[in-house]
Amino acid sequence: SQQGEEDPQALSIQEGENATMNCSYKTSINNLQWYRQNSGRGLVHLILIRSNEREKHSGRLRVTLDTSKKSSSLLITASRAADTASYFCATVPQGGKLIFGQGTELSVKP
Amino acid sequence: DAGVIQSPRHEVTEMGQEVTLRCKPISGHDYLFWYRQTMMRGLELLIYFNNNVPIDDSGMPEDRFSAKMPNASFSTLKIQPSEPRDSAVYFCASSLAPGGMNTEAFFGQGTRLTVV
Repeated sequence: SQQGEEDPQALSIQEGENATMNCSYKTSINNLQWYRQNSGRGLVHLILIRSNEREKHSGRLRVTLDTSKKSSSLLITASRAADTASYFCATVPQGGKLIFGQGTELSVKP
Repeated sequence: DAGVIQSPRHEVTEMGQEVTLRCKPISGHDYLFWYRQTMMRGLELLIYFNNNVPIDDSGMPEDRFSAKMPNASFSTLKIQPSEPRDSAVYFCASSLAPGGMNTEAFFGQGTRLTVV
C-alpha cells in the first residue's frame, strides 16, 4: 500500500508563479524525499529532509516537514516551463524501504 | 559512474512468454529496489535487496514474478509466464545503506514492458 499521498494530483500554473505540492504519510519515518520525473524518464532525487528537520532549501526548492501532522510540502519558486514534470514524495520508514506516493503532475505554461 | 543501468529499454512480448529485466546498480550501493509504474497504481515497490539478500518481497504480485541478485553488480526481475496486465514501466533503483548521512535512491531509465 502507498505510504504517501500527494495533493493536488495535478497543478497548472503560469511561468514565474510559485508551485506548492503537499504530501501526507501514515507511519513514523526516518526521512522524507522528493523526486521529479520527466515524461518517459526515470525519477531524479531533488531533496531529502530528515525527521528531525523542519525546513530545507535547495536553489528554488523549499521543503517543510511537520512530523506531528505527518505532512510535508514542496515549494518551487519562480517556476519555469522546464519545471513541468511529475513530482513524488517518498518516505523512508525504519528499515530502509523507500515508498512513493501517487505524485503531483505539474504543468508550467510559458 | 554511469548510474543505474537497465536493459532492455523496451520489451514487447507475447502473452505466455518469459521476460527477464536486468539491472546494474551503482557500484558501492548496498540497497537495490525494483519498482513497477502504471497509470492506475502509480509506483509500486516490488522487492528490495540489502547486500544481495532479498529483504522484503511483499510487493511481488504473484508467483509468476521472481527476482534475484547473484552479486553486488547485477539483478534480474523475471516474469514467467507474462500476461497483458504486466504491461508497465519497471524501474530499478539503488542507494547507500540507510543510517548514513544520505539515503537518496538513484533510478535507472526504466524498462517499458508491453505484453500483447
